[in-house]
Amino acid sequence: QKEVEQNSGPLSVPEGAIASLNCTYSDRVSQSFFWYRQYSGKSPELIMSIYSNGDKEDGRFTAQLNKASQYVSLLIRDSQPSDSATYLCAVHSFNAGNNRKLIWGLGTSLAVNP
Amino acid sequence: DAGVTQSPTHLIKTRGQQVTLRCSPKSGHDTVSWYQQALGQGPQFIFQYYEEEERQRGNFPDRFSGHQFPNYSSELNVNALLLGDSALYLCASSLWGARIKNTGELFFGEGSRLTVL
Repeated sequence: QKEVEQNSGPLSVPEGAIASLNCTYSDRVSQSFFWYRQYSGKSPELIMSIYSNGDKEDGRFTAQLNKASQYVSLLIRDSQPSDSATYLCAVHSFNAGNNRKLIWGLGTSLAVNP
Repeated sequence: DAGVTQSPTHLIKTRGQQVTLRCSPKSGHDTVSWYQQALGQGPQFIFQYYEEEERQRGNFPDRFSGHQFPNYSSELNVNALLLGDSALYLCASSLWGARIKNTGELFFGEGSRLTVL
């Protein structure tokens, strides 16, 4: 079982719609969760971080965390063509040596159609 | 406020050659992590440097080595290049002393795209 799983997509939504991106993780002791956006040929950019159960809103972005169900999601309201990118989920956990490590999903490709 | 800078941005090598990639972290950051990202894949952690020492290492062979300098900048060296080493190499900076919950907040450079022929 992969440690962090995302639907690879592509997820296609019309402009102005809500895009919903999901991520599940396997390590129950994971503490911190991050969403990065990566445009084609560019490097990842942090857009949201969430640490507690519930919702966290930042502009058009809302991150949702449910530790009991081990999933974290990202909602993008009023989607714009400029939101078209790959969205990477990253989960902060601990390895066997109790060292912190960041586990990455493979990313979900989002296409917002004008 | 200078962000993370990497060089070179693109380079082409042949199998068996060696390559050195360079990274300067974001101003105020002291920790550098290196990632390899193949096309269509998520970033794969190579290693992390803090206080000029390798602190963590991912599942990469010894052909991949690194160094961190007193000014916090870092180099990634890859020896005996293979075709499969072709990828985008990303440098990410962070603050070692950040609160544990924040240590996943990485700032990436634009990457060095390596092509091995």
